Amino acid sequence: GQQLNQSPQSMFIQEGEDVSMNCTSSSIFNTWLWYKQDPGEGPVLLIALYKAGELTSNGRLTAQFGITRKDSFLNISASIPSDVGIYFCAGQPGGMEYGNKLVFGAGTILRVKS
Amino acid sequence: KAGVTQTPRYLIKTRGQQVTLSCSPISGHRSVSWYQQTPGQGLQFLFEYFSETQRNKGNFPGRFSGRQFSNSRSEMNVSTLELGDSALYLCASRRQGLDTDTQYFGPGTRLTVL
Repeated sequence: GQQLNQSPQSMFIQEGEDVSMNCTSSSIFNTWLWYKQDPGEGPVLLIALYKAGELTSNGRLTAQFGITRKDSFLNISASIPSDVGIYFCAGQPGGMEYGNKLVFGAGTILRVKS
Repeated sequence: KAGVTQTPRYLIKTRGQQVTLSCSPISGHRSVSWYQQTPGQGLQFLFEYFSETQRNKGNFPGRFSGRQFSNSRSEMNVSTLELGDSALYLCASRRQGLDTDTQYFGPGTRLTVL
């Protein structure tokens, strides 16, 4: 079945640093999504990507849909303390047989260096 | 516009019991999907309903079932609860169920099975 490999598993950031994380798969996805989840809450959509090669920004966040449709990355520039949380990539396989099913990566935990 | 709401937010049950969780999608949204989130398995797709019909189902045993009502509200039921069913159950809604429709998550129901 489809699987997403998300890395890194966790990372420490200092305020002001840029952050990068990515997801790869052996399967093709029609849509890539990036979510952030805070403790006790559901995932909140950060960026949605619908076309191979697409590069999209949302404030300090930038994400790209890989040209092979098998990968995506998320960059956070000039990180701030409230960026701490768990970030998930999600891919939608496409095709009527999958409906709106999303396949999720295992998540990247962002922590603040003390 | 109100977001996706889920009730109850927290639930404690014992093994062998059954449980029903409720999800009210964003007004106007017709597609509702359910996901299970656990530390070990991450976010896994349970099923999706669109216009009262189950459109897709994940790899979960038949103890997990769901339904959708004419007002798009959805319920999921888990019978004969097992310890491993302890998880955060998330509901997500979409407007029309198209690939380009954004999927919005609710805050989840935290189920603990003792």
